[in-house]
Amino acid sequence: DTAVSQTPKYLVTQMGNDKSIKCEQNLGHDTMYWYKQDSKKFLKIMFSYNNKELIINETVPNRFSPKSPDKAHLNLHINSLELGDSAVYFCASSPREGYGYTFGSGTRLTVV
Amino acid sequence: GENVEQHPSTLSVQEGDSAVIKCTYSDSASNYFPWYKQELGKRPQLIIDIRSNVGEKKDQRIAVTLNKTAKHFSLHITETQPEDSAVYFCAVDGASKIIFGSGTRLSIRP
Repeated sequence: DTAVSQTPKYLVTQMGNDKSIKCEQNLGHDTMYWYKQDSKKFLKIMFSYNNKELIINETVPNRFSPKSPDKAHLNLHINSLELGDSAVYFCASSPREGYGYTFGSGTRLTVV
Repeated sequence: GENVEQHPSTLSVQEGDSAVIKCTYSDSASNYFPWYKQELGKRPQLIIDIRSNVGEKKDQRIAVTLNKTAKHFSLHITETQPEDSAVYFCAVDGASKIIFGSGTRLSIRP
């Protein structure tokens, strides 16, 4: 039973389209995150939610909008996709601040 | 904000030898230091972590040391094996998020 699951695993789309990535965790964790991993493998935080509330929005363009319907789900919607959005997006969860993350399997987004 | 520097960016060692990866951080208030391993095409996975109230922690062939005064911490892998080949990330907690180092690509030569 997967602890943090993301869908889809791969996403290929054209510039200008709108797409969503879904994430669900069954660990009972309070905090969820979205990280972006670029081609050089650098992991950069985008958003952090604690119990459905936005805690961190790390200067991400307005085209990215996270939504947390409950503390087990954190989705990411991206409008007007650009070439530079191509990356692997990881969802993660943790029990609370100061504890390690459990990552989802990642979504490889390719914008053409 | 917190800044984490990781060295080296690439490391190649002979199978059976030891590997050491070093990180420095800037915020003296940080007190949680995890290490993640990411195999090719897979998710990062937590392999060991240390809190600021201890100086060293071991788990079989891996160990982490922390020097809070100097604000640096290191990952040590002994008796390296082919399955240790991966990208390793150090990380530091800071203001409700974990900041990751830039990663070290470790290759094990047979």
